[in-house]
Amino acid sequence: GQSLEQPSEVTAVEGAIVQINCTYQTSGFYGLSWYQQHDGGAPTFLSYNALDGLEETGRFSSFLSRSDSYGYLLLQELQMKDSASYFCALTNNNDMRFGAGTRLTVKP
Amino acid sequence: DSGVTQTPKHLITATGQRVTLRCSPRSGDLSVYWYQQSLDQGLQFLIQYYNGEERAKGNILERFSAQQFPDLHSELNLSSLELGDSALYFCASSVGGPSSGNTIYFGEGSWLTVV
Repeated sequence: GQSLEQPSEVTAVEGAIVQINCTYQTSGFYGLSWYQQHDGGAPTFLSYNALDGLEETGRFSSFLSRSDSYGYLLLQELQMKDSASYFCALTNNNDMRFGAGTRLTVKP
Repeated sequence: DSGVTQTPKHLITATGQRVTLRCSPRSGDLSVYWYQQSLDQGLQFLIQYYNGEERAKGNILERFSAQQFPDLHSELNLSSLELGDSALYFCASSVGGPSSGNTIYFGEGSWLTVV
């Protein structure tokens, strides 16, 4: 089977940088995705890593290391609206399996 | 607005009953996914269809079933409902499977409360 681990909660201040880690166990996968979900809302796509390395999309960056079974989401210049849950997910041929999510709280 | 439409948005029903949740994928998307999210929990993958065919199955209970119709809309049927089935059920869609890097777009979800 597949499993993913993320910290349950992270707190940071406005304007800071925060890194949300994701470790996984799997025999194979296509890539690692990151989704954001505000309370009561739908998950929305943030980033996808098919290959090892860093992908940058505006204030958000995501990293994957297959050899270390590890990835992370980096959020820069934190804003209050970034307070949400963040999920990493393993992308397979026909499905995506999500971690339990990390609740990010941004404080003034 | 992701373009994925789910109905109903909210549903309250009694234990032992049966409900059907409906999903219309984004225009042009052939893949439909169903996920269950219980309070403060992650997204549990239930099942995936591609162009009418079941392609992947996750932790879906035998009391639950789904199908994708020729017009590509999908329905998730939940029967013999239990209190523990209370959750937010998401439908998502993508052009193809996710392996090609296709983004999966989620609907707003259907809140099911079993009393």
